Amino acid sequence: LAKTTQPISMDSYEGQEVNITCSHNNIATNDYITWYQQFPSQGPRFIIQGYKTKVTNEVASLFIPADRKSSTLSLPRVSLSDTAVYYCLVGTGYGGATNKLIFGTGTLLAVQP
Amino acid sequence: GAVVSQHPSWVICKSGTSVKIECRSLDFQATTMFWYRQFPKQSLMLMATSNEGSKATYEQGVEKDKFLINHASLTLSTLTVTSAHPEDSSFYICSAGALAVTGELFFGEGSRLTVL
Repeated sequence: LAKTTQPISMDSYEGQEVNITCSHNNIATNDYITWYQQFPSQGPRFIIQGYKTKVTNEVASLFIPADRKSSTLSLPRVSLSDTAVYYCLVGTGYGGATNKLIFGTGTLLAVQP
Repeated sequence: GAVVSQHPSWVICKSGTSVKIECRSLDFQATTMFWYRQFPKQSLMLMATSNEGSKATYEQGVEKDKFLINHASLTLSTLTVTSAHPEDSSFYICSAGALAVTGELFFGEGSRLTVL
């Protein structure tokens, strides 16, 4: 399973765009990249998933370069409620049903007023 | 989206007792569920993969006789912490993937275990 590396923490202010980059140099051909958000004492919550290029949903965008050795989660106009730990994971296969996900250290995003 | 529910949300027990935590997929079937453990200010650590109708697969370093996993149906997996000790105090989280839905794993709310 590919290992991921993320910054331990990041600081931002309300209304700013936040970009969190994750390195996964050993990503395999079948691996997908998934980002989760976790608040204290809660289970992780799915944010976005992609395989290559760019993916956008109602809460975030995910940028994946052609070599897929890294990915960037972009959160537009963050608010205080976006303060959380963000995890980047890679896993084989498209589906999450049977493929276990190994969590890295995650990035603690602190949003200031 | 799909919902995974855990029960209890928190439990306090005396050292030496056993505690059972349930993980249910409420609106989908899951042949596979995963159990994680998370200590304060640390990441989630995968403990085992729970397979419906068969034995669980444990990660290296996780005692299978200590953490008993049963996956008797497509919507329920249980984790029993046997003879719990204070060092077993942690946040336990389960996850499951919907068979017909690709792209994500759904996580439960977590269960906080405190062993006195």
